Amino acid sequence: EIVLTQSPGTLSLSPGERATLSCRASQSVGSNYLAWYQQKPGQAPRLLIYAASSRATGIPDRFSGSWSGTDFTLTISRLEPEDFAVYYCQQYDSLRTFGQGTKLEIK
Amino acid sequence: QVQLQQWGAGLLKPSETLSLTCAVYGGSFSGYLWGWIRQPPGKGLEWIGEINHSGGTFYNPSLKSRVTISLDTSKTQFSLKLNSVTAADTAVYYCGRGQGHVGRWGQGTLVTVSS
Repeated sequence: EIVLTQSPGTLSLSPGERATLSCRASQSVGSNYLAWYQQKPGQAPRLLIYAASSRATGIPDRFSGSWSGTDFTLTISRLEPEDFAVYYCQQYDSLRTFGQGTKLEIK
Repeated sequence: QVQLQQWGAGLLKPSETLSLTCAVYGGSFSGYLWGWIRQPPGKGLEWIGEINHSGGTFYNPSLKSRVTISLDTSKTQFSLKLNSVTAADTAVYYCGRGQGHVGRWGQGTLVTVSS
């Protein structure tokens, strides 16, 4: 099973700042089959990024994904008030597993 | 634009069978995977399993012995059954459509297991 470890657990930033969220895989993720989701309270998750760096339909270009080896990163270039939420990574190379989440909160 | 609408019993007793259905509006089953994900209150997401348009299934090994996902192509619906539930199965259950990643989600159903 591929284990995904997200860091930090909580990230406190202000609107306008840059956010960098990390997701480390316990082993190689084939074809970079890694996705990022945003979830707000009481809502279903929303797909942001798939295949490590491809933005889903309708996702603003301030969201971007990148990777180096087994380390994956979600970057939000300039935080908007609506970006404060919980973010999850998910691998879909070997069955599917999710990271434990990073809470992005307003500082 | 495809929409997923899910329903099922929200309160179960221990040892009963959880049963949820997800209807697909505005799309067909072809070319996608149809799955279930759950989220215990205040916790993270857990993948339960998926089914493809041909009826092939993939399950989380930790739940495999208790889970069945099935397809009804005539109604464009798919279903989840989880037997022998315990309090640890209390969660919001989501249906979803994707290709490994999940691009469309149902609204979620809170299922509570309590005696």
